[in-house]
Amino acid sequence: ETGVTQTPRHLVMGMTNKKSLKCEQHLGHNAMYWYKQSAKKPLELMFVYNFKEQTENNSVPSRFSPECPNSSHLFLHLHTLQPEDSALYLCASSQFVVQETQYFGPGTRLLVL
Amino acid sequence: GNSVTQMEGPVTLSEEAFLTINCTYTATGYPSLFWYVQYPGEGLQLLLKATKADDKGSNKGFEATYRKETTSFHLEKGSVQVSDSAVYFCALSERNTGNQFYFGTGTSLTVIP
Repeated sequence: ETGVTQTPRHLVMGMTNKKSLKCEQHLGHNAMYWYKQSAKKPLELMFVYNFKEQTENNSVPSRFSPECPNSSHLFLHLHTLQPEDSALYLCASSQFVVQETQYFGPGTRLLVL
Repeated sequence: GNSVTQMEGPVTLSEEAFLTINCTYTATGYPSLFWYVQYPGEGLQLLLKATKADDKGSNKGFEATYRKETTSFHLEKGSVQVSDSAVYFCALSERNTGNQFYFGTGTSLTVIP
């Protein structure tokens, strides 16, 4: 029980679809993160939000659009994705941004056809 | 820059065998070091951490010592169980880089009865 939940757990979408991934943390943390996990590659940090403000965008294509309406919720809006975007998308949170342990959700397994 | 290198897998061990998973790092300052574990179908869970040189992190029979002189944080367990089968990730975070986490590529461990 990590206190970070993600929905849906699995998602299949076509390249013309629009979908959203949701993350919710019940830990009272102030920082939230999106990571992409692809086979045989290190986890890739995508976005960082600190107190609802985006502080990091690691050159992520614009077809990925994050949204953080409050410190407990984080969304990743997806549109016109490519097959190479198929991966496990992990959400994480931490109390604060600097050198804090990150707690991960179970991930959303995304398949783009 | 910062990076983490961990041994390639997969690793297959018999139950009760000794486990070592090597991890070395490169950092510009004084990082915190972590081991995360990912069980099948789940997100990453913090296994242990160390925040300064010579610290030893331990949890569930796993140990790792922060060695600044060799820039290493090897994971060890004296007697593995089938339930330890998972993917293990070494990671660092550093204040100088705004707590961006740098993960290794992961080492898959399978323990057979």
